[in-house]
Amino acid sequence: AQSVAQPEDQVNVAEGNPLTVKCTYSVSGNPYLFWYVQYPNRGLQFLLKYITGDNLVKGSYGFEAEFNKSQTSFHLKKPSALVSDSALYFCAVSSLYGGGSQGNLIFGKGTKLSVKP
Amino acid sequence: EAQVTQNPRYLITVTGKKLTVTCSQNMNHEYMSWYRQDPGLGLRQIYYSMNVEVTDKGDVPEGYKVSRKEKRNFPLILESPSPNQTSLYFCASSPTAGTKLSYEQYFGPGTRLTVT
Repeated sequence: AQSVAQPEDQVNVAEGNPLTVKCTYSVSGNPYLFWYVQYPNRGLQFLLKYITGDNLVKGSYGFEAEFNKSQTSFHLKKPSALVSDSALYFCAVSSLYGGGSQGNLIFGKGTKLSVKP
Repeated sequence: EAQVTQNPRYLITVTGKKLTVTCSQNMNHEYMSWYRQDPGLGLRQIYYSMNVEVTDKGDVPEGYKVSRKEKRNFPLILESPSPNQTSLYFCASSPTAGTKLSYEQYFGPGTRLTVT
């Protein structure tokens, strides 16, 4: 069965420091991987995705993520955190050949990012 | 403006009283989906639709119904709500490339449902 793990419930970072939000996945076949961000009292917004090609993908607001097939990971990174990056971050996975149906998208439980001035 | 709209945004109801949460998108997307968000559990998929008249169960479909009679609308129906369906609900849509779910999803603003 498909699954996504975000091992940290919360990540605390000082403004200006690099940040990493971790995500590991388990699927059969090639994964499609996504990161979404949720600001308080808002819906989710798309940040970036990996479908195929270059393992390092760049997305909105200066975020990037690296797909690592051997470690089945897709960690979200940013070189210099901003206070405004504070939000809830979700990793999600879909696989055409996974245990779920074609439209089945599995989200992680979310990681709360807190950036302090 | 391209968007996904949900109504109502907030709803308090009683156990057993049928309700419908509407979802509409104006982007001509084939794919639509419903999720519920609960603390510590993240988002869990309830139902999704790959196109008109095509719907399928997600991970937590029990107690919910959906229909997709038109491309733009995907209502979520709770025939007999129970307190364990108290949650934050999100509707989402995306284009598809054939059968591949490779495009990002656009989310509605959410509907906070309380069942007493």
